[in-house]
This record gives sequence, C-alpha cells and structure tokens, in this order.
Amino acid sequence: ETGVTQSPTHLIKTRGQQVTLRCSSQSGHNTVSWYQQALGQGPQFIFQYYREEENGRGNFPPRFSGLQFPNYSSELNVNALELDDSALYLCASSRAPSGYTFGSGTRLTVV
Amino acid sequence: KNEVEQSPQNLTAQEGEFITINCSYSVGISALHWLQQHPGGGIVSLFMLSSGKKKHGRLIATINIQEKHSSLHITASHPRDSAVYICAGLMYSGGGADGLTFGKGTHLIIQP
Repeated sequence: ETGVTQSPTHLIKTRGQQVTLRCSSQSGHNTVSWYQQALGQGPQFIFQYYREEENGRGNFPPRFSGLQFPNYSSELNVNALELDDSALYLCASSRAPSGYTFGSGTRLTVV
Repeated sequence: KNEVEQSPQNLTAQEGEFITINCSYSVGISALHWLQQHPGGGIVSLFMLSSGKKKHGRLIATINIQEKHSSLHITASHPRDSAVYICAGLMYSGGGADGLTFGKGTHLIIQP
C-alpha cells in the first residue's frame, strides 16, 4: 500500500511568480484535498478533487487552482504569488468512508 | 470564531502522566479526526470517529455527538509522544465538499 507523496519538499519563489505543487494519491483512493498551513496555525481547506473534478472549495481566491489526473494524482497551482502564500501545503487522499492519508507537505517560501 | 476549538494549546507533562486533549466543535459533523503532526510537518491520521470510542495502543479517542465534544487520551505518556495533536471535523455540507475543518492544534511536550 503506497502512501501519499508530495513534491517538491521545499521551494523558494519570488513574489509574482507561479508555482505548481504535486501530490500522488494513495492506492485505492479517488479523492484528493489540499490544505494551506501557515506557521503556528491549523491547516485551512483550499479545495478538493474527486474523479478529476473540483467538488469543494474553501475561502481561497481563484489564483489557487488545481487539477486531478486519471490516476488520481493532483496538482496545486498558485499564480501571482504573494508573501502571505508562504506556508506548508498539505495534500491528503481519501476514499469514502475511509479516513485520510496525508503527505509530508511542501514548504513554500515566497520572497 | 473557529468552528473547531482545542484545549489546551500547549501542554508540558512528565513521562508516564495521563494526557487529555479536548476538542469542541460548533456545527454538525459527519466524522471527527485526530491527527498527529511532527516538527517536519507531515501529518499522521490517528483516529476517525463518528460515535463512541476507539483505542489504539496507548491512545484512546472518544466523542460525544450530543455535546459536540471529543477527547484524545494518552496513557503512560512517553517523550516520543511529543508532537502537535490536531482535531479536525468533516462538516455536513449542503452540496459539494467542505474538506476538513481543523483546530489550531495542541503542542504536547513530554519530558523524561
């Protein structure tokens, strides 16, 4: 049983740039959700993909977008990076009614 | 006000002590999760609960749906239990998916 792998583990970008983060899904899972965790805070829900469609979204602007592929892996894209986008980005795969499997996260620093 | 509240925010205890972390939520949930996060950032799922009680090793999680409250207990605590413990609720949704709503976490340190 494979876990969830996120890449890259660390990333430094300049304000205004664009970034793509990647997440594999655990074998047998068909849903991927993405979370942003600022330093010292709990994770905040960005969006969720189920069978290649976005089926839920948190309070994040449209410059946060995503994709899910036929193998259920997923990408998170952030355009026009801002300093406040610096955070740990976590993805989690799931398949109802089972629980979630989290990746180790990508730490994004925007300078 | 956060829909999921945890207490305490920080907890330092001696090895062997019985630990309790509390979680209250203000809206209906379909499931409540207890998660463990280590300094590197990775999150491990400990329990998913919709009712009653679950036990795994020295960890016990309980939930009271009527009172909208859950607790995580650690028996015979050990320094390796030091981590941030987070509760997260999967909220009822009128349509679509709301993802997990997280508490801010409890930073637990167990001293030898």
